[in-house]
Amino acid sequence: DSGVTQTPKHLITATGQRVTLRCSPRSGDLSVYWYQQSLDQGLQFLIQYYNGEERAKGNILERFSAQQFPDLHSELNLSSLELGDSALYFCASSVAGSTGNSPLHFGNGTRLTVT
Amino acid sequence: AQSVTQLGSHVSVSEGALVLLRCNYSSSVPPYLFWYVQYPNQGLQLLLKYTTGATLVKGINGFEAEFKKSETSFHLTKPSAHMSDAAEYFCAVTDNNAGNMLTFGGGTRLMVKP
Repeated sequence: DSGVTQTPKHLITATGQRVTLRCSPRSGDLSVYWYQQSLDQGLQFLIQYYNGEERAKGNILERFSAQQFPDLHSELNLSSLELGDSALYFCASSVAGSTGNSPLHFGNGTRLTVT
Repeated sequence: AQSVTQLGSHVSVSEGALVLLRCNYSSSVPPYLFWYVQYPNQGLQLLLKYTTGATLVKGINGFEAEFKKSETSFHLTKPSAHMSDAAEYFCAVTDNNAGNMLTFGGGTRLMVKP
């Protein structure tokens, strides 16, 4: 058990809809990262928050947004969903803001299916 | 820009045989390198990491990897495969210029035959 909790485990929704994925980091971790895993794109970094503020941005679409709350949990919002957004979305957390010195601990993911 | 190449999307070994999973990276500055394992329906679990210092890194479950700068490689090995090692393995790289972005390879699915 990594200590990172993601909810829900599965999500099925229709095109055009909006969903929210939730992540609670390990106790004591200040950084939260979001990754998307799909068969064709592999593991893609989306965005990182550190202690409530956006720290780094990757291949995140404009239709997607995220935030980290004062209690350090994070939410990833996906809107105007398309079939291609179907994927496994992982949250990871780390103590520090730099991945080099502070390895990531991953949750079990949320599997999103867009129909 | 960083990149990671994992040679062989599928590797099959017999139980008790040597496991060798290949990873080559590109980075313009000294890299930080990682191996993660993903079991079915689970998240990624850190196996081992290289940051600085000793180039031979030991990880959990008997795995180790050697950082070879001249070959830009970070291959993962285990002397004797167990059935429980069957999983997908990901090599990843970052560095001080990467803005905290961890770049993953495409993954290698390890199958262990009895």
